[in-house]
Amino acid sequence: AQSVTQPDIHITVSEGASLELRCNYSYGATPYLFWYVQSPGQGLQLLLKYFSGDTLVQGIKGFEAEFKRSQSSFNLRKPSVHWSDAAEYFCAVSGGYNKLIFGAGTRLAVHP
Amino acid sequence: GAVVSQHPSRVICKSGTSVKIECRSLDFQATTMFWYRQFPKQSLMLMATSNEGSKATYEQGVEKDKFLINHASLTLSTLTVTSAHPEDSSFYICSAPLGPQSGGYTFGSGTRLTVV
Repeated sequence: AQSVTQPDIHITVSEGASLELRCNYSYGATPYLFWYVQSPGQGLQLLLKYFSGDTLVQGIKGFEAEFKRSQSSFNLRKPSVHWSDAAEYFCAVSGGYNKLIFGAGTRLAVHP
Repeated sequence: GAVVSQHPSRVICKSGTSVKIECRSLDFQATTMFWYRQFPKQSLMLMATSNEGSKATYEQGVEKDKFLINHASLTLSTLTVTSAHPEDSSFYICSAPLGPQSGGYTFGSGTRLTVV
């Protein structure tokens, strides 16, 4: 069955610190992987996606993610977090045109 | 880029009434539309998949008679919450697949439904 696991429900970091949000997936075919960010009461914004090719993917707002097939992981990273990065982050997987399956989300808090 | 316009953005209705949410693809044809529901501080849960000209496919546990989905044209998909109750209060989001070459998926901006 298709599934996405985000082990960390809440993460708190200090502004300027590095960040890594974990994502593990289970998918029977070639996965298409996504990271989205959602601010309170808002819709979703795509941070980055992986379809094929280079396993290190660069996204918007200084985020990057690395696809590791052997670990079924697609962790999101940012070298230096800004206060404006505080939000909910969702990892998601699909097979291309198929339904998108979301993880439970990780709520990021940023301390000044 | 491909845009899905979702309306209304917020709606408050009385318990027992019905509410219709519309998602229009503005600059492309959406053969398929996914409908998600998001309760506060939770993830997006897929409710159903609508395909133009055919019956929607509902996820397990979603009442098809309560959440009516219509996809009568390639640019319009609607979700009607019938006989709404306070427990139906949620954030509803539609999404259309664009395919890997076009960036994956486009999302509506969401509808905040409050049933009083």
